[in-house]
Formats: sequence, structure tokens, C-alpha cells
Amino acid sequence: IAGITQAPTSQILAAGRRMTLRCTQDMRHNAMYWYRQDLGLGLRLIHYSNTAGTTGKGEVPDGYSVSRANTDDFPLTLASAVPSQTSVYFCASSEGTGGTDTQYFGPGTRLTVL
Amino acid sequence: SQQGEEDPQALSIQEGENATMNCSYKTSINNLQWYRQNSGRGLVHLILIRSNEREKHSGRLRVTLDTSKKSSSLLITASRAADTASYFCNTGKLIFGQGTTLQVKP
Repeated sequence: IAGITQAPTSQILAAGRRMTLRCTQDMRHNAMYWYRQDLGLGLRLIHYSNTAGTTGKGEVPDGYSVSRANTDDFPLTLASAVPSQTSVYFCASSEGTGGTDTQYFGPGTRLTVL
Repeated sequence: SQQGEEDPQALSIQEGENATMNCSYKTSINNLQWYRQNSGRGLVHLILIRSNEREKHSGRLRVTLDTSKKSSSLLITASRAADTASYFCNTGKLIFGQGTTLQVKP
């Protein structure tokens, strides 16, 4: 059982480039989430999706977009990367929505924007 | 905000000692969850305690919840070097605090 997989594991990106972080879950969970984690700031929610076909904005959505074409995949796209988007990105999923269910996290993607 | 705030920010103990970390929150909750994050890894769920429960155990973990004080505590007994990690509480909204960083020295 893989749970949640993320790709790539790490990436160095030039500012202004477009980048898509991939996230796939095999638990048939309804809800999926993208967080970024920065030193001293904890985890901050970027976008979420309660079910396939719907998405919502989190605390820090600017500069990011997501899509949820099916249950399993929830890619995060940086249309034009900026250095402030240097961070570790975590994808998570939960069976239920609303945030009260246990979340299962992927291993993370470490992104550096130069 | 329903954000749980962990305290202390950092804790350093010797192997074999007990570690206690606390979580405070501001509004009513349905449940409270504790997660662990090893360095460079994603968060892993440890334990969930419902609002009508006062105490819950899982192995060496003991969680208490006091809804009147809007606080919870996580106790790790007989700590091991492998318990070195950051610990986060989550109060049911998609918000995580900065966590408590625990270092267990061998």
C-alpha cells in the first residue's frame, strides 16, 4: 500500500518557470490538501479539494493553482515561480471533509526557486 | 481561530525520561489529533481524542483533553532516541501550529 506519493522529491527551479508538483493517493479518499512548510511558520494550507471536480483556497493560495480531475490525483502548479515559493510542499488526504478526519501525508517535495 | 498552539516550542530530555507537551486552542472542537513529523518527512497521525473523552492511551502515548480549559497534553513515557521529532496538535481545522520539537538524547 503506497498511501500518498509525491513527485519530484526535490527540485531546483529558476524564477519565472512553471512547475507542477504531483500528488497521487491510492486510498480513495475524498479530500486532498496541499500545504507548504517554512521554518518558524508551521504548515500553511495552500489549496484543498473535498471531492473530485471541486477545489478551494486555503490560507496562502496566491501564485498556486490546483485541479482535481479524478479522485486519486491532485497536482499543484506554480505558474511563474518566485523565490518566496521556496519551501517544502506536502500533499495530504483524508477520507472525510471539513478537516476533522485524520489526514495522511505524503513525503514532501523540497522546492528551491532561484 | 481553532489553531492549536503547542508548548513548549522545544524540549530536550534524556532517553528513558518522560516527555510532556501541551496544546491550547480557542474555540470548541469535535476532536483533537496529535501528529509526529520526523525530520524531512511528512506528518504521521499518532492519536485522536474526541471532545467527550478525557484521556486516551496508545502504547507509550497518553493524551488528555480538558475542554473546559481548551487544552490537551501529550505524554510520551520512557522516551527513546527514535522519538526525536516535531509534534503537532490539530483541532479539526486545516491549520497546524509550529509544533513542539522534541530531542531525546541517548
